[in-house]
Amino acid sequence: DIQMTQSPSSLSASVGDRVTITCRASQGIRNDLGWYQQKPGKAPKRLIYAASSLQSGVPSRFSGSGSGTEFTLTISSLQPEDFATYYCLQHNSYTWTFGQGTKVEIK
Amino acid sequence: EVQLVESGGGLVQPGGSLRLSCAASGFTFSSYWMHWVRQAPGKGLVWVSRINSDGSSTSYADSVKGRFTISRDNAKNTLYLQMNSLRAEDTAVYYCARDKQWLPDYWGQGTLVTVSS
Repeated sequence: DIQMTQSPSSLSASVGDRVTITCRASQGIRNDLGWYQQKPGKAPKRLIYAASSLQSGVPSRFSGSGSGTEFTLTISSLQPEDFATYYCLQHNSYTWTFGQGTKVEIK
Repeated sequence: EVQLVESGGGLVQPGGSLRLSCAASGFTFSSYWMHWVRQAPGKGLVWVSRINSDGSSTSYADSVKGRFTISRDNAKNTLYLQMNSLRAEDTAVYYCARDKQWLPDYWGQGTLVTVSS
């Protein structure tokens, strides 16, 4: 099974900062990866699919990149509503695997 | 508007069984694959299972294989998860989610399953 290693596990940042979160796959997964945001007590929300495609309605400050084994979620200018936990999710051979999550906290 | 509403969670003893349901509305349910994802208290998201649009193909995480069964009734616009031989480590909020472009897009609000004596 493919393992996803997400880093960092947490980070502190200020409003307006550029934030980057990384996921590494244990083997190549082409671009079969998405990024999700989850706030406490709420269901996850999809931000990015196919590694770099922005979900409809998601602000353009969110972007995804990468293919193969290394993927990045970037928030270009962190906003107050972006403080949350972020997860990557890969799909390969009819199984799906989440990264461990990155909690983005206010500095 | 896409809506997914889970139900059926609750307290169950170790070794017991529970069936979760997910009622779908606002889209053509029979055209979409569906997923179950769970989240233990204070922990991360874990993919559990997926079913294709007509129910003919399923897949499971190793941790639930042989104990959980995903199914669907397209006439009732409902997804199910039959959970048998439940363990304490199955305690979690269980979410159903619609698949689009090979990944979950819309999610329900979740239902809590607690396995404890």
